[in-house]
Amino acid sequence: KAGVTQTPRYLIKTRGQQVTLSCSPISGHRSVSWYQQTPGQGLQFLFEYFSETQRNKGNFPGRFSGRQFSNSRSEMNVSTLELGDSALYLCASSSYFSGGAAEQFFGPGTRLTVL
Amino acid sequence: TQLLEQSPQFLSIQEGENLTVYCNSSSVFSSLQWYRQEPGEGPVLLVTVVTGGEVKKLKRLTFQFGDARKDSSLHITAAQPGDTGLYLCAGDESSGDKLTFGTGTRLAVRP
Repeated sequence: KAGVTQTPRYLIKTRGQQVTLSCSPISGHRSVSWYQQTPGQGLQFLFEYFSETQRNKGNFPGRFSGRQFSNSRSEMNVSTLELGDSALYLCASSSYFSGGAAEQFFGPGTRLTVL
Repeated sequence: TQLLEQSPQFLSIQEGENLTVYCNSSSVFSSLQWYRQEPGEGPVLLVTVVTGGEVKKLKRLTFQFGDARKDSSLHITAAQPGDTGLYLCAGDESSGDKLTFGTGTRLAVRP
């Protein structure tokens, strides 16, 4: 089974621009979550989509948005980029462990640098 | 907002030594997972524990979930340079897909 794929792997943008990141989950997984990872804040939850609906949302401003398509692929968008948005953006797709616990499988991430 | 504190934050040891990483919270989790992340890559799931007091062994790695399901530990026996990486614990509050990640422990194993 192919793993989670994310594109692009690296991205350089300037302040004020917008960016769209893409994630393809493991085949058969319907839940996709997005995380932001920075050295100072660690791994922080952005949002989670299941069957094209946002099911959970973290504490990020409205500049961060996402969507999921019928084939479970997901995109996240960041508008009006700020320097502090520089981070590794990780996508994870989920399968459910017995007992309901979600096991998340991560992609390699997209490294976004905002200049 | 839940917080998962990991200790120590950094650990540099010699090959062959043993080590323990701790993950603590004041909140109860329905399950807890451990991941290892290498530079430039996403975290890789090592184990999931769901029952209070549960102990799981994965070769030289031993994971324990606290009786009250608020804390966990990862013990590595005879560490090897290949164990080097960032170790993250992550708690699932309600059997959903919103994981709260710990602060991370960066391990370096010197040959």
